[in-house]
Amino acid sequence: GAVVSQHPSRVICKSGTSVKIECRSLDFQATTMFWYRQFPKKSLMLMATSNEGSKATYEQGVEKDKFLINHASLTLSTLTVTSAHPEDSSFYICSARSPLDYNEQFFGPGTRLTVL
Amino acid sequence: KNEVEQSPQNLTAQEGEFITINCSYSVGISALHWLQQHPGGGIVSLFMLSSGKKKHGRLIATINIQEKHSSLHITASHPRDSAVYICAVLLLYGNKLVFGAGTILRVKS
Repeated sequence: GAVVSQHPSRVICKSGTSVKIECRSLDFQATTMFWYRQFPKKSLMLMATSNEGSKATYEQGVEKDKFLINHASLTLSTLTVTSAHPEDSSFYICSARSPLDYNEQFFGPGTRLTVL
Repeated sequence: KNEVEQSPQNLTAQEGEFITINCSYSVGISALHWLQQHPGGGIVSLFMLSSGKKKHGRLIATINIQEKHSSLHITASHPRDSAVYICAVLLLYGNKLVFGAGTILRVKS
């Protein structure tokens, strides 16, 4: 089956530093990947849609200069949280759209970010 | 009002019981997903539906497009089924998933 990985699974950083999270489709090519954020005891919220070879599309209220997305290849999208602050602490999940079915997405295992 | 409503929010069941989780939505969709999230956070896609019914092992998912309603059933529930179950709809226009708040299921042995 289609597998999506994320790295790291958990990261703790100091306030003011930048953190990069990788999302990889392991056994398929994904022209479109999605980045979600989940606050404790809340549901997922779409942050941005990442398209290979072009700029990401950000949802309303998501700062594009704060959350940098790069989708440089068909199997890798990265999310960089710049100048992280404690309020950026959250669970970040990526997904990749299936190349066979436009409606289907495969989810990564998530990355828990804690900013001290 | 949220575009995707799930019920119940919390559900505790005894091992072996038949479980139903409901999802209603108010927008046009191209597909509906049922997802499972275990403690620790990883999400597993259980079903994707655009019509009718799907079955996988002890799990059954149904959708009624006219009524904008879907149900997830678990037969012969087991403690390992304890997780958060999330309904998500893929918007017909806009190409994005909108998620329900999730149902926290606990199955006791």
